[in-house]
Amino acid sequence: EVQLLESGGGLVQPGGSLRLSCAASGFTFSSYAMNWVRQAPGKGLEWVSVISNSGDSTYYADSVKGRFTISRDNSKNTVALQMSSLSAEDTAVYFCASGNLGYYMDVWGKGTTVTVSS
Amino acid sequence: EIVMTQSPATLSVSPGERATLSCRASQSVSSYLAWYQQKPGQAPRLLIYGASTRATGIPARFSGSGSGTEFTLSISSLQSEDFAVYYCLQYKNWPLTFGGGTKVEIK
Repeated sequence: EVQLLESGGGLVQPGGSLRLSCAASGFTFSSYAMNWVRQAPGKGLEWVSVISNSGDSTYYADSVKGRFTISRDNSKNTVALQMSSLSAEDTAVYFCASGNLGYYMDVWGKGTTVTVSS
Repeated sequence: EIVMTQSPATLSVSPGERATLSCRASQSVSSYLAWYQQKPGQAPRLLIYGASTRATGIPARFSGSGSGTEFTLSISSLQSEDFAVYYCLQYKNWPLTFGGGTKVEIK
């Protein structure tokens, strides 16, 4: 069964950092790009970042550029999102999702919740 | 950045009726358009990609059309499990951008 499982969410103070992780199973992880998409409480979906299947290409939304870093480990079938300088506007459920680079996402995890508050 | 605008924000439909959702792009995205369904507390589910191709396992009552800047998702006969929020996504240019969503509710 194809599965993505996010972890690492939690409560963090403004200005703090957090590292999210997503573990993949049931498919050839190294063949697919991996995305992070977030959803603030009661709001719509916002694409955050993507990393190519090999890890040599990354893209970010302007809202997180310079603060978030995406990475992957194809030997462990995991993708990570390192988040720093967090603010209340980063409070959201963060989903990881797979697809081909520059295309739609077809497999999604259940999400992990990040709350930025003092 | 390409801005995606969905309308209406909320659509009230009776079970068995047809629902038509719209998505407009601020510039041409060709056919690089996908539709997702999201239910409360769940991850989005891919319905349509390439503007009109149903994803694996998606019932035939879901259909997508359009190209360029105007797109439509139609649900031919709404079932109880179809009441949800629907999002369009353009993947023509970076950054990928979603529409604001259309909530399909029971009339």
